[in-house]
Amino acid sequence: KAGVTQTPRYLIKTRGQQVTLSCSPISGHRSVSWYQQTPGQGLQFLFEYFSETQRNKGNFPGRFSGRQFSNSRSEMNVSTLELGDSALYLCASKHRAGTQYFGPGTRLLVL
Amino acid sequence: DQQVKQNSPSLSVQEGRISILNCDYTNSMFDYFLWYKKYPAEGPTFLISISSIKDKNEDGRFTVFLNKSAKHLSLHIVPSQPGDSAVYFCAASVDAGKSTFGDGTTLTVKP
Repeated sequence: KAGVTQTPRYLIKTRGQQVTLSCSPISGHRSVSWYQQTPGQGLQFLFEYFSETQRNKGNFPGRFSGRQFSNSRSEMNVSTLELGDSALYLCASKHRAGTQYFGPGTRLLVL
Repeated sequence: DQQVKQNSPSLSVQEGRISILNCDYTNSMFDYFLWYKKYPAEGPTFLISISSIKDKNEDGRFTVFLNKSAKHLSLHIVPSQPGDSAVYFCAASVDAGKSTFGDGTTLTVKP
């Protein structure tokens, strides 16, 4: 079974721009979660989608949004980028409950 | 309020010895706990998990211990190998819902 894939792997943007990251979960997994990891920090939960519905949301500003498609693929969007948004963005999928499996991440650099 | 804490940012161990990584939590509702290992530039990889109905789970060189009364879990790696050098995250969830992660502990195993 193919693992979780994320595109792009690396991205450079400037302040004020917006960005869309993509995540394809493991086949059959309907839950997709997004996390932000900054240097020295743990994994900060952004949101979780299940069957195209946002099931949980973390404490991030409204500039961070996401969606899930009928094939369980998910996208995350960040508008009006700030320098502090530079981070590794991780996507994880799971079947319904239990263990999450992570993708390799998208490293975003905001200049 | 950080609900999952890994108080040791780093740990250094000699090859062949035991590595003990610790994690404390505050939410008594957590009933499922996981450990992930993360190498640089990769997403976290699931290592081992434990349900709150158990106090120990073992998988090869890895053993997780759960002390519910102390709200504490630990990961033991015996014997430690240089390839175990990575960042280790503990995570906790309620009813297999969204996971809350600690900030991670960087383990260095010296040959």
